Amino acid sequence: DAMVIQNPRYQVTQFGKPVTLSCSQTLNHNVMYWYQQKSSQAPKLLFHYYDKDFNNEADTPDNFQSRRPNTSFCFLDIRSPGLGDAAMYLCATSSIGQPTNEKLFFGSGTQLSVL
Amino acid sequence: AQTVTQSQPEMSVQEAETVTLSCTYDTSESNYYLFWYKQPPSRQMILVIRQEAYKQQNATENRFSVNFQKAAKSFSLKISDSQLGDTAMYFCAFGLIGAGSYQLTFGKGTKLSVIP
Repeated sequence: DAMVIQNPRYQVTQFGKPVTLSCSQTLNHNVMYWYQQKSSQAPKLLFHYYDKDFNNEADTPDNFQSRRPNTSFCFLDIRSPGLGDAAMYLCATSSIGQPTNEKLFFGSGTQLSVL
Repeated sequence: AQTVTQSQPEMSVQEAETVTLSCTYDTSESNYYLFWYKQPPSRQMILVIRQEAYKQQNATENRFSVNFQKAAKSFSLKISDSQLGDTAMYFCAFGLIGAGSYQLTFGKGTKLSVIP
């Protein structure tokens, strides 16, 4: 029944070593989002895809990139992780225009640690 | 830009009692959505309840209900008959639909503990 799936649940990387987080969805939603949530803080939107159109938030660092090869998958790439990038990364989907779907569906998140 | 304020960083409630979480927001928009999301220790964000701004009737979902005061820009969540499983961080969120996607702004959250 999993609808938005994030792998892995926990990811450990080294300072400066590139890391990729993945998200897949079985909902066929056209919008996918990546949020960063640091400890005891609110989720912060990094960017989102509307179909293949990439939309970056103005304050998202260049260190963060994303790819969406098809409707089902979306990846978050951190090119050179710093200690400040340790956080929970949440993937979400939405499909505007369908009343029952007018909300965000979240995955379980990937907790990233940077050593 | 929209802002969402949750003025209660932490709250506690006895099991089976009722608790109200506060949320205020600031916007110049007239059409928007408001949400309460629950984030238990597992960190999964779970939608609790949603309110469309154009609807005057307050949303309800089983033991969860909201008090939506549009003029006052207030959107509080009432949890009745609190259960241990309600222990979680609760986020209030303001949502706009723009260019086919949701622009969601979250408050800082209220940590709710249900005490046996």
